[in-house]
Amino acid sequence: AQSVTQLDSQVPVFEEAPVELRCNYSSSVSVYLFWYVQYPNQGLQLLLKYLSGSTLVKGINGFEAEFNKSQTSFHLRKPSVHISDTAEYFCAVRAAGSARQLTFGSGTQLTVLP
Amino acid sequence: DAGVIQSPRHEVTEMGQEVTLRCKPISGHDYLFWYRQTMMRGLELLIYFNNNVPIDDSGMPEDRFSAKMPNASFSTLKIQPSEPRDSAVYFCASSGGVGTEAFFGQGTRLTVV
Repeated sequence: AQSVTQLDSQVPVFEEAPVELRCNYSSSVSVYLFWYVQYPNQGLQLLLKYLSGSTLVKGINGFEAEFNKSQTSFHLRKPSVHISDTAEYFCAVRAAGSARQLTFGSGTQLTVLP
Repeated sequence: DAGVIQSPRHEVTEMGQEVTLRCKPISGHDYLFWYRQTMMRGLELLIYFNNNVPIDDSGMPEDRFSAKMPNASFSTLKIQPSEPRDSAVYFCASSGGVGTEAFFGQGTRLTVV
């Protein structure tokens, strides 16, 4: 089984500042990793995913994440945030080679302040 | 494709009533998932289907909950009888298989009073 820990439940940051949202996972097998974003009263939307290959993954809206196998981490970063990035962000994991369910972290609320 | 479509978007019902949530997955996707989201427990998987067959229903909280997928384009999640603690946002998601992400619907916000 897999599990995901998102270390920060809330991250406030000023507009145009950089941000990092932390995600650590636990698994006895290789994994696929995902970041989703949820805007208020909306469903979850994929930001980016890591399946294999380059450990630096670029996604939509200027976000990127780096897979670190030795530290079992998949932190999400953006060099300069906008007010519109205010949302909840979820890290998720799935066993590699599987099409089964995603296991989600508890989420990080990113609030971008003017 | 219009994406995953859920109905209704909002449902308010009285305790003891039957509630049916509906989902139309993306055409061609052979996996369908039902998740529940609450403040206390976050996103929990309730059940998932592969090719219309339930694979894992270990997340279904109790016998009051049931889910069906009569064909590749439709699934239901039923709660009977409903209780206030069932109040949550219920999401349906579908995916196309290994290496593909899950695509989520907009969710159904259920309030049981």
